[in-house]
Amino acid sequence: GAGVSQTPSNKVTEKGKYVELRCDPISGHTALYWYRQSLGQGPEFLIYFQGTGAADDSGLPNDRFFAVRPEGSVSTLKIQRTERGDSAVYLCASSLGPSGSYNEQFFGPGTRLTVL
Amino acid sequence: AQRVTQPEKLLSVFKGAPVELKCNYSYSGSPELFWYVQYSRQRLQLLLRHISRESIKGFTADLNKGETSFHLKKPFAQEEDSAMYYCALSESWGKLQFGAGTQVVVTP
Repeated sequence: GAGVSQTPSNKVTEKGKYVELRCDPISGHTALYWYRQSLGQGPEFLIYFQGTGAADDSGLPNDRFFAVRPEGSVSTLKIQRTERGDSAVYLCASSLGPSGSYNEQFFGPGTRLTVL
Repeated sequence: AQRVTQPEKLLSVFKGAPVELKCNYSYSGSPELFWYVQYSRQRLQLLLRHISRESIKGFTADLNKGETSFHLKKPFAQEEDSAMYYCALSESWGKLQFGAGTQVVVTP
């Protein structure tokens, strides 16, 4: 079956611009996670959705970052006034329910964001 | 605050030799620990989880609460084991905190 998909796979933008990154989770998965992976680091948690609501957005670095999941399926991560430090691979993951030892998180291929 | 430490950035081993990837954690509660693997040009995927106490692709990992460690081991490395390995700790509802990762290179 289809796994988690993310678009675009690569995004190059200029400092100060607005970008949107999209995640299509596995059908039926109610939990959705966004992570950010900078070069040489492990993925870093950004936000978690259970259904349509953001259950934990404690990882969003500042108010330039925002994410939505209006119908409980597709999610969009939005970054305003991009900065060079936002350059990273943005990963999305989904799981059947709130993840833990019994619900595996399935990762997408990531979107590589480059801010010039 | 919880934290996951993988002290080795790169581990180079010969095919057939044992391999051990170190992972130490700090967590105030009862930890849920995982190993994730990323093969070249593939997406991040779960390798194993401590609660299932299973062996996947010949790898095992034992949770040692006294030493706060969750080291990953395989007795005989294979070339297909070359990959990036991440140790991760989960809070109860699944937010994962990852270590910085260890690149494993298995040479013939």
